[in-house]
Amino acid sequence: AQSVTQPDIHITVSEGASLELRCNYSYGATPYLFWYVQSPGQGLQLLLKYFSGDTLVQGIKGFEAEFKRSQSSFNLRKPSVHWSDAAEYFCAVVRGAGTALIFGKGTTLSVSS
Amino acid sequence: GAVVSQHPSWVICKSGTSVKIECRSLDFQATTMFWYRQFPKQSLMLMATSNEGSKATYEQGVEKDKFLINHASLTLSTLTVTSAHPEDSSFYICSANTGGSGELFFGEGSRLTVL
Repeated sequence: AQSVTQPDIHITVSEGASLELRCNYSYGATPYLFWYVQSPGQGLQLLLKYFSGDTLVQGIKGFEAEFKRSQSSFNLRKPSVHWSDAAEYFCAVVRGAGTALIFGKGTTLSVSS
Repeated sequence: GAVVSQHPSWVICKSGTSVKIECRSLDFQATTMFWYRQFPKQSLMLMATSNEGSKATYEQGVEKDKFLINHASLTLSTLTVTSAHPEDSSFYICSANTGGSGELFFGEGSRLTVL
């Protein structure tokens, strides 16, 4: 069955420092992968997605992610974190064509000044 | 991108009453919608897949008689929490896809508090 693992429950990064959030997936075929961000009490906002093609995907708010099939990973990166990036980040994989997303448990990002 | 709207955003009800949450696709037709549940500081758990004109498909462990889903049109799915209890208090989020890319569009969520 498809699954998503986010190994880091909570990460703290200094403002201005770089960020990498890890995501590993389990899926037999080429996956559709997503990163979402959720602020407290809010809905989900799509940061970026990977369907096929270039393995380095650019998203909104300066985020990018790299799909590595050999490592079954889709890590999210940002070169310089801003205090407003503090939120919950979810990695997700589509369970099958036209079907639901399966989410990882999420990583809480805190930004220190 | 496509817009999915949920209503109400917040609802408080007494234990034993039923609550209906609506999920609408505003600018596209959604043959399939999905309902998720999120407990505080936890991930989103898929509850059910709602198909227009047919019965919903529930995930294992989700009580279909407790969480009634109706997908009466291509733009509206409803989730009714029947005989709500405090443990049903949660954040409920719906989503829909446009049928092509696999990308899901999410509503803003509905926070249910059962007293």
